Amino acid sequence: GQQVMQIPQYQHVQEGEDFTTYCNSSTTLSNIQWYKQRPGGHPVFLIQLVKSGEVKKQKRLTFQFGEAKKNSSLHITATQTTDVGTYFCAGYGIQGAQKLVFGQGTRLTINP
Amino acid sequence: NAGVTQTPKFRVLKTGQSMTLLCAQDMNHEYMYWYRQDPGMGLRLIHYSVGEGTTAKGEVPDGYNVSRLKKQNFLLGLESAAPSQTSVYFCASGDRDEQYFGPGTRLTVT
Repeated sequence: GQQVMQIPQYQHVQEGEDFTTYCNSSTTLSNIQWYKQRPGGHPVFLIQLVKSGEVKKQKRLTFQFGEAKKNSSLHITATQTTDVGTYFCAGYGIQGAQKLVFGQGTRLTINP
Repeated sequence: NAGVTQTPKFRVLKTGQSMTLLCAQDMNHEYMYWYRQDPGMGLRLIHYSVGEGTTAKGEVPDGYNVSRLKKQNFLLGLESAAPSQTSVYFCASGDRDEQYFGPGTRLTVT
């Protein structure tokens, strides 16, 4: 079945450093979504990418969807302590698929 | 507008006991989902529903049952709890473009 892998599993940075997490799917995705989960909280939707090669920005966050629609990345510029949490990517495997498959997540911790 | 709510928030069960987790949403979403989250495993789909009266199996359905008798509610049942079912359970509702998660239920089975 479809698998979505995320690397790294953990990342610790100094405040102000950049951070990137990568998402790779075993199959072509129709879309990819990113969620953030703060410690002790629940996942919260950040963004969805649909088009091949799409790039979207939200303030210091940049999201990319690969040309082959099998990988994605989230890059945070100049991290802040509010960025702490676990970032998940998730995707639908084929058009019309009803199950969103999540990656294992990347847990980001920040040294202030 | 409460979004997605889950009850209870915490529960401790003994092996073999049964319980039902309740999820309610007030956003008129057709799709609802039950996930479990374990350390290092991300979110794994247990069961889901694409509309009132429908249910389908997800990635890890064994040991769980669900019902969607009303559009706004999605129930997750454990008939005979096992220690392997100790986890945090999240309900979500939404569509293909976005899912809204509830606050979670932390279940411990001893």
